[in-house]
Amino acid sequence: EADIYQTPRYLVIGTGKKITLECSQTMGHDKMYWYQQDPGMELHLIHYSYGVNSTEKGDLSSESTVSRIRTEHFPLTLESARPSHTSQYLCASSEYLMAEAFFGQGTRLTVV
Amino acid sequence: GENVEQHPSTLSVQEGDSAVIKCTYSDSASNYFPWYKQELGKRPQLIIDIRSNVGEKKDQRIAVTLNKTAKHFSLHITETQPEDSAVYFCAASTYMGYFGNEKLTFGTGTRLTIIP
Repeated sequence: EADIYQTPRYLVIGTGKKITLECSQTMGHDKMYWYQQDPGMELHLIHYSYGVNSTEKGDLSSESTVSRIRTEHFPLTLESARPSHTSQYLCASSEYLMAEAFFGQGTRLTVV
Repeated sequence: GENVEQHPSTLSVQEGDSAVIKCTYSDSASNYFPWYKQELGKRPQLIIDIRSNVGEKKDQRIAVTLNKTAKHFSLHITETQPEDSAVYFCAASTYMGYFGNEKLTFGTGTRLTIIP
């Protein structure tokens, strides 16, 4: 089934650790996005990509990095996790201009 | 950049009554305005969208209106039901200058509670 998948769903990690949040979509979409959201609160765009080898920073300052080597894969990496990174991270994709964005189930990250 | 404001932040409505959520945007170049519904613990999902060449769009109990001159758009839910309880986000999409380049900016969300 065409969908967008995020792993892991939940992650508890210690301060200073490096982590990678995975996002894959099987819909063939060129555009992909990462949002940070505290539960039920505003969605903050942290990174986006319009296609392979294209990545841009979003509105929210973030210490994370992303890569887009394959159309279907858009991982987000935190080099050194801090408690302030505790949040939910949502990955999304869309097909073209002015099109519906499909969201993954999210990764709930807790940094202790 | 685009700034989207959304009001109210919380809204409680008696079941069967109507609910209205309003958003304003700052970038006159924005041309696509979707609304997303996020139920507790679930991912946001598109419920309705409108493009700048249309003033109103309706889908069963939900409708969206757009006033480009005033730069505001609204979500209307009629005959509300308990399953309408969720957080609703408006968004505005701005074309960034070359084909395929656009950014979606979300409002701050409205927590809608339907009182049985």
